[in-house]
Amino acid sequence: AQSVTQPDIHITVSEGASLELRCNYSYGATPYLFWYVQSPGQGLQLLLKYFSGDTLVQGIKGFEAEFKRSQSSFNLRKPSVHWSDAAEYFCAVGVDSGSQGNLIFGKGTKLSVKP
Amino acid sequence: NAGVTQTPKFQVLKTGQSMTLQCAQDMNHEYMSWYRQDPGMGLRLIHYSVGAGITDQGEVPNGYNVSRSTTEDFPLRLLSAAPSQTSVYFCASSGWESSYEQYFGPGTRLTVT
Repeated sequence: AQSVTQPDIHITVSEGASLELRCNYSYGATPYLFWYVQSPGQGLQLLLKYFSGDTLVQGIKGFEAEFKRSQSSFNLRKPSVHWSDAAEYFCAVGVDSGSQGNLIFGKGTKLSVKP
Repeated sequence: NAGVTQTPKFQVLKTGQSMTLQCAQDMNHEYMSWYRQDPGMGLRLIHYSVGAGITDQGEVPNGYNVSRSTTEDFPLRLLSAAPSQTSVYFCASSGWESSYEQYFGPGTRLTVT
């Protein structure tokens, strides 16, 4: 069965430090992969997506992610974290549900940023 | 262009009551979905729709009902609310170019006492 694992429930980094959030997926075919961010009390905003092609994808707010098929991973990175990046981050894989593609989400990683 | 809108933002129900969570989108998207978000669980798919008049069940459909009479609207009905349905509910929509790339509404926080 398809699944997404985010091994880290909560991560704290200092402002200006680099960030890597881990995501592993289980899916038989070539996956469509996404990272979403959710600020407190808000809906989900798409950060970036991978469908095919270049395995390093750039997103909004200075985030990037790298697809590694051999490791079934799609880790999210940012070279220098800002206090406004404090939020919860969700990795998701697109799966076929009959005639519609839907998303399976990981359980999320909460990011705290120390001043 | 408002995107995906949801009403109400907050709701408190008593066990056994029924209610409808509203979702509308103005992007002319064919695909719409409902998710629930519980602490430590991520988002789980309740129901989805590929167009007006067509709906299907997701991972956790029990206790919920949907219909889609127009492209724009996709209401979620709780038939007889239970405390286990206390959650945050998100509606999402996507276009035919990529039904995977979903745009989310701001959510409805529901408490059932």
